[in-house]
Amino acid sequence: QVQLQESGPGLVKPSETLSLTCTVSGGSITSDYWSWIRQPPGKGLEWIGYIYYSGTTNHNPSLKSRVTMSVDTSKNQFSLKLSSVTAADTAVYYCARGGGGGNSYWGQGTLVTVSS
Amino acid sequence: QSALTQPPSASGSPGQSVTISCTGTSSDVGGYNFVSWYQQHPGKAPKLVIYEVSKRPSGVPDRFSASKSGNTASLTVSGLQAEDEADYYCSSYAGNNVVFGGGTKLTVL
Repeated sequence: QVQLQESGPGLVKPSETLSLTCTVSGGSITSDYWSWIRQPPGKGLEWIGYIYYSGTTNHNPSLKSRVTMSVDTSKNQFSLKLSSVTAADTAVYYCARGGGGGNSYWGQGTLVTVSS
Repeated sequence: QSALTQPPSASGSPGQSVTISCTGTSSDVGGYNFVSWYQQHPGKAPKLVIYEVSKRPSGVPDRFSASKSGNTASLTVSGLQAEDEADYYCSSYAGNNVVFGGGTKLTVL
């Protein structure tokens, strides 16, 4: 059974960079696409982007060039960096297995608050 | 505003069927057979219940079914049970992009 676990700071200051890592267990990261999805408190889901183990990425155009994703196959991890954050980036951030065809496994989610 | 349009709420009594719609465009729902549906209980991560328009992952009851016609996808939950009460989100591949619906709160009366 594939399991995913997000990790990273729960509080980020405005204008700084949000950094999260997702650790995959129970399966190889070289077997699929891997996604980041977020959910502002009380609101719906928003796709951030996905990455293939080779490093190929796609991300939400609305986030413009603020998103950077990477993968570390040696650690079975993939990561997200979101720069120049504002209060609007406050959300529960989920990592998940899969790309555009559906996300079959999800992490439990981690709340990231942007505040000074 | 979400890229895909879902009704904000839906309801049904135990044992009944309810259908939730998800309307997009020819650039997403209508253009690809990559529509997914997710169930989310309060405080929990979403769970995939349908992928590729109408396929059910292992372990999802066959009470959950889905289809697509043109730019609109639909999720039907038959034989409603109390545990089906949750938020449901549709999602579609949109050519190097993924879009979600705004979500539908399903209430079991």
